[in-house]
Amino acid sequence: SAVISQKPSRDICQRGTSLTIQCQVDSQVTMMFWYRQQPGQSLTLIATANQGSEATYESGFVIDKFPISRPNLTFSTLTVSNMSPEDSSIYLCSVDQGVGTEAFFGQGTRLTVV
Amino acid sequence: GEDVEQSLFLSVREGDSSVINCTYTDSSSTYLYWYKQEPGAGLQLLTYIFSNMDMKQDQRLTVLLNKKDKHLSLRIADTQTGDSAIYFCAESNSNSGYALNFGKGTSLLVTP
Repeated sequence: SAVISQKPSRDICQRGTSLTIQCQVDSQVTMMFWYRQQPGQSLTLIATANQGSEATYESGFVIDKFPISRPNLTFSTLTVSNMSPEDSSIYLCSVDQGVGTEAFFGQGTRLTVV
Repeated sequence: GEDVEQSLFLSVREGDSSVINCTYTDSSSTYLYWYKQEPGAGLQLLTYIFSNMDMKQDQRLTVLLNKKDKHLSLRIADTQTGDSAIYFCAESNSNSGYALNFGKGTSLLVTP
């Protein structure tokens, strides 16, 4: 199994600011994903982080709001830009080795925007 | 997108079996997963099943898949208070690049 370290685990941010969340994996992985879990809701896929190229965003999510980097096979960042209270959620990083293998999740970043 | 549906709540007595049900609509679903989320925690992968399987058992957990009806269930034997959590069903397929499509989660409450 993959061990995923996500930082920060939680943060309280002022509206209009940006927060960058880091996801570090203890081994090289093929696929890295970013999900959002709004309060009391299920998980929604934000984007697939592609190594060496631009992320692939799901409908309703755009690069200007959620820029993503993936410089190598073990690390990715998600930035939540120009935050508003509606961005208050848990953001989770997920990894797998492709072809429907086990998908593991980080502990999540609990973001509160005030 | 395709839907994954779960009942929202389930309450059982300690020692009884729990059965959490899930239905999905995407006929190309390849893998189906069960995750557990305790309050304030991330998602813990409990088990997953490939779509060409009918059943998978792992200690107290039994997963049943009816591919014809697109119905997945998770049975927890001898449910304990520590099993109280939200259980998410999820599916993935090649069309989504194997990203997961989640249900809304079933909140399981185990009472003494």
